[in-house]
Amino acid sequence: DTAVSQTPKYLVTQMGNDKSIKCEQNLGHDTMYWYKQDSKKFLKIMFSYNNKELIINETVPNRFSPKSPDKAHLNLHINSLELGDSAVYFCASSQDSPINEKLFFGSGTQLSVL
Amino acid sequence: GEDVEQSLFLSVREGDSSVINCTYTDSSSTYLYWYKQEPGAGLQLLTYIFSNMDMKQDQRLTVLLNKKDKHLSLRIADTQTGDSAIYFCAEKGYGGSQGNLIFGKGTKLSVKP
Repeated sequence: DTAVSQTPKYLVTQMGNDKSIKCEQNLGHDTMYWYKQDSKKFLKIMFSYNNKELIINETVPNRFSPKSPDKAHLNLHINSLELGDSAVYFCASSQDSPINEKLFFGSGTQLSVL
Repeated sequence: GEDVEQSLFLSVREGDSSVINCTYTDSSSTYLYWYKQEPGAGLQLLTYIFSNMDMKQDQRLTVLLNKKDKHLSLRIADTQTGDSAIYFCAEKGYGGSQGNLIFGKGTKLSVKP
């Protein structure tokens, strides 16, 4: 079984649309994350979510919103998509620990905005 | 703020050793990590080192930590074509129990036969 799974793997859409990416982890982890990887492979955290507490990277536009129906899921909703949103989005999870933050990543969703 | 720097490219011949270097800024980092990303895949934890260690060896991988210089390196012995990937150095960002990892920009390792 895949530990962190996200769907879809590829998402092609038009500017202005609203889309969602789903993420599920079966590791029993307490914290989930969304990362954005741009075309140069630079990886930046967007959100972390733990026990209903959301920490947002201040550089993330408010068109992006994470939704967590339960501890095992953290979905990413994006409104009014823009060309610059094209990237690979990775979901990740970790066990809640103040010291050791080993992350387990999903395989990524490649978003292309046309 | 925290920053992690690493060179972007490294090319080696199969069978040689590869050394990927990284510098970080947060001296309070307790753990430092190396992640590997193969083409079209997510990142996978390769190895990590606790900050009170100078060296950690795991089969073909050797991690060296110089806390004074805030320098971390990953040595891959007998590099194989399957080691071709992007390697990310990461430190734990400042932020209490929910501190997130700060990643470097990644070093793309190309292994030539």
